[in-house]
Amino acid sequence: DAEITQSPRHKITETGRQVTLACHQTWNHNNMFWYRQDLGHGLRLIHYSYGVHDTNKGEVSDGYSVSRSNTEDLPLTLESAASSQTSVYFCASGRLAGEQFFGPGTRLTVL
Amino acid sequence: GQQVMQIPQYQHVQEGEDFTTYCNSSTTLSNIQWYKQRPGGHPVFLIQLVKSGEVKKQKRLTFQFGEAKKNSSLHITATQTTDVGTYFCADSGAGSYQLTFGKGTKLSVIP
Repeated sequence: DAEITQSPRHKITETGRQVTLACHQTWNHNNMFWYRQDLGHGLRLIHYSYGVHDTNKGEVSDGYSVSRSNTEDLPLTLESAASSQTSVYFCASGRLAGEQFFGPGTRLTVL
Repeated sequence: GQQVMQIPQYQHVQEGEDFTTYCNSSTTLSNIQWYKQRPGGHPVFLIQLVKSGEVKKQKRLTFQFGEAKKNSSLHITATQTTDVGTYFCADSGAGSYQLTFGKGTKLSVIP
């Protein structure tokens, strides 16, 4: 069955370190998205991609980057982790406007 | 996508009671999606509404899109403990695959 996976599921890191969160989907979807979820803020879009080599900034992109070298993967990199980036991160993919399939999430703690 | 306001933020109901969450925007929405997130889980797509005045049903769940396309609602009849979770509405802008989420309504069901 097609799926979307994220790794690691939990990560603790220190301020200033570079961190990469992986997202892999086997749906063969062109569209992929990264969100962060924080209490009181709901889900906020960080970056998104509509295809290989395409990347776009979302609402809260500062301090994050993505690259899309193939259809299946959209890794999210925190260039220099900050405590404000402690959050739960969700990756999603979709083919149709509006319908997105979410991964299980990565809980990131920056100390 | 447009900014969407969702109310209430929290709702506690006795099992068997009805529940409604509302999604409002000051501007016209392109279309509305509804997602459910169980505690500790990831958002799961429920439905998409596109047309003005549209009403869709999924068993005990009724989804409505306002005539002016500025509001939407999700109504659950006779809640069950399996309905526990946070319900999000989301708007995708015209011609866009991005989603702007409301902050969600967290539903608790008291057995």
